[in-house]
Amino acid sequence: GQQLNQSPQSMFIQEGEDVSMNCTSSSIFNTWLWYKQDPGEGPVLLIALYKAGELTSNGRLTAQFGITRKDSFLNISASIPSDVGIYFCAGPDDNTDKLIFGTGTRLQVFP
Amino acid sequence: ETGVTQTPRHLVMGMTNKKSLKCEQHLGHNAMYWYKQSAKKPLELMFVYSLEERVENNSVPSRFSPECPNSSHLFLHLHTLQPEDSALYLCASSQGFRGGKNIQYFGAGTRLSVL
Repeated sequence: GQQLNQSPQSMFIQEGEDVSMNCTSSSIFNTWLWYKQDPGEGPVLLIALYKAGELTSNGRLTAQFGITRKDSFLNISASIPSDVGIYFCAGPDDNTDKLIFGTGTRLQVFP
Repeated sequence: ETGVTQTPRHLVMGMTNKKSLKCEQHLGHNAMYWYKQSAKKPLELMFVYSLEERVENNSVPSRFSPECPNSSHLFLHLHTLQPEDSALYLCASSQGFRGGKNIQYFGAGTRLSVL
């Protein structure tokens, strides 16, 4: 089945820095989703992307749907302590109808 | 507030107890899901309901019994659980469960501890 690999696996940054993470697949996705999960909470949908090349922002977050449809990127500008958490990419598998989740990027922000 | 509410948020139960987890969605969605998330493991899909019919059961032990009385409510009935069942149980809903309609919104989860 389809798999999503995220990198980096974890990041330790200082408050105010910009962050970039990506998600790659060996097969095509038609929708890309980015979620954030705080410890002990459920994932919260941050951004949904529907079209190759699409660039969408949500506050300090910007995500892009790669033109090959096999990758997506999430950038966070001017990080703050509440950005701490695990960021997951996800996409619906058109063959199985399951939502496939990436391996996650754990972000730590130090003041 | 994601529009998906789970209760209780925390649950401690013995192996002989029977308890239920509740999920309610206020988004007008037609599909609902149960996931299990154990420490340092990816999300495991347990059950999928579409229009109140179960469309997926991912080889989940029979000590977990789902119930979907209507498209807004989903329950997970628990009995005779094992300590390894301790995990965060997440409910999600989506407009549909196929392709582009499968954009899921999650509840805050129930942290379950089995003693």
